[in-house]
Amino acid sequence: AAGVIQSPRHLIKEKRETATLKCYPIPRHDTVYWYQQGPGQDPQFLISFYEKMQSDKGSIPDRFSAQQFSDYHSELNMSSLELGDSALYFCASSLGRAGNTIYFGEGSWLTVV
Amino acid sequence: GIQVEQSPPDLILQEGANSTLRCNFSDSVNNLQWFHQNPWGQLINLFYIPSGTKQNGRLSATTVATERYSLLYISSSQTTDSGVYFCAVDNTGFQKLVFGTGTRLLVSP
Repeated sequence: AAGVIQSPRHLIKEKRETATLKCYPIPRHDTVYWYQQGPGQDPQFLISFYEKMQSDKGSIPDRFSAQQFSDYHSELNMSSLELGDSALYFCASSLGRAGNTIYFGEGSWLTVV
Repeated sequence: GIQVEQSPPDLILQEGANSTLRCNFSDSVNNLQWFHQNPWGQLINLFYIPSGTKQNGRLSATTVATERYSLLYISSSQTTDSGVYFCAVDNTGFQKLVFGTGTRLLVSP
């Protein structure tokens, strides 16, 4: 079965640079979520989209922005990168906003040097 | 916000042993999922179980929503079961999962 696809899987950026992560949800899923997992920590909710509109917002820094496009894929843009942004970034998707399983992608490893 | 506590924090088993992982949460929930994060970082969904009991092979889970806890049972453990097990809940109705701190499981041959 098709899963959530994330790209790139790994990237290395320097401080103050910009990074963009892409996410392709499971076909027919209309809701996309972004999570950030720092080293040794549990995943933290960043932001979600339902039917291409922002649905909810968590602890997402102002330097980060995200959107969901007409084909339901989503992108997370991170600017002015800091060393503390080094983390594993997950995209997840579900059918509908409530009462359904959320499926996670394999994650994108971001290292800021 | 809702608090999620998992126990034990660490668990070491011999291959073939059984184990029970616990997740306590501080409020009623709309969603509860168990995940296995393997050593490569992948978060694999095990169960969507806001209430009731489910089984999938050697794994089963029970959530007692009225008492605000969930249990994950692993039977006949294998080395590939090693990793971190997370319980994650949502009480907003918008699938904004809050993760517990996880149980780190090591299964030795």
